[in-house]
Amino acid sequence: GAVVSQHPSWVICKSGTSVKIECRSLDFQATTMFWYRQFPKQSLMLMATSNEGSKATYEQGVEKDKFLINHASLTLSTLTVTSAHPEDSSFYICSALGARAEAFFGQGTRLTVV
Amino acid sequence: KQEVTQIPAALSVPEGENLVLNCSFTDSAIYNLQWFRQDPGKGLTSLLLIQSSQREQTSGRLNASLDKSSGRSTLYIAASQPGDSATYLCAVRDDYKLSFGAGTTVTVRA
Repeated sequence: GAVVSQHPSWVICKSGTSVKIECRSLDFQATTMFWYRQFPKQSLMLMATSNEGSKATYEQGVEKDKFLINHASLTLSTLTVTSAHPEDSSFYICSALGARAEAFFGQGTRLTVV
Repeated sequence: KQEVTQIPAALSVPEGENLVLNCSFTDSAIYNLQWFRQDPGKGLTSLLLIQSSQREQTSGRLNASLDKSSGRSTLYIAASQPGDSATYLCAVRDDYKLSFGAGTTVTVRA
């Protein structure tokens, strides 16, 4: 299957700082990528859809000014959590659509804001 | 709005037993359905993809069926092994969004 690489796998930051998470499709081009958030023992919650060369589409209730998404190339999308607070601590996962609309996911990023 | 339900929420079986995981969805107008595996603290690994026109897919010990008209899919795992212990997620795609079930957490006892 296709490979999606997410970096970093974990990060600890101080409250008020910003953190950038990268999502790369390694062996295919992805015009569309997705960002999810997962709370402990819960399923994935879609945050936004990232389209190459255009603005991201955010789900209802997701603050676009706090979660900045950039999809500058066909293989890279980034999620920046701005002015992070402890309540932003979570597991963030990206995915990209491959052939036949099959979704491939990154390894996830565990964000802890202290 | 698509609702995806997975039953049971948790399952514990002895090694060698076959596993049956169920997934149901409310809107049958889907594009495809995927089964994923998630290990603790990790991302999702795609196991099987079934297009809306297909009735089943097989990969090794895994077999997934799809009955779109009744809104059901079943994942069968034959001859379970301790390495199969994980959370299994079902997801349906309508248009471009994936809707996930809450998952079934499987424990295979050696």
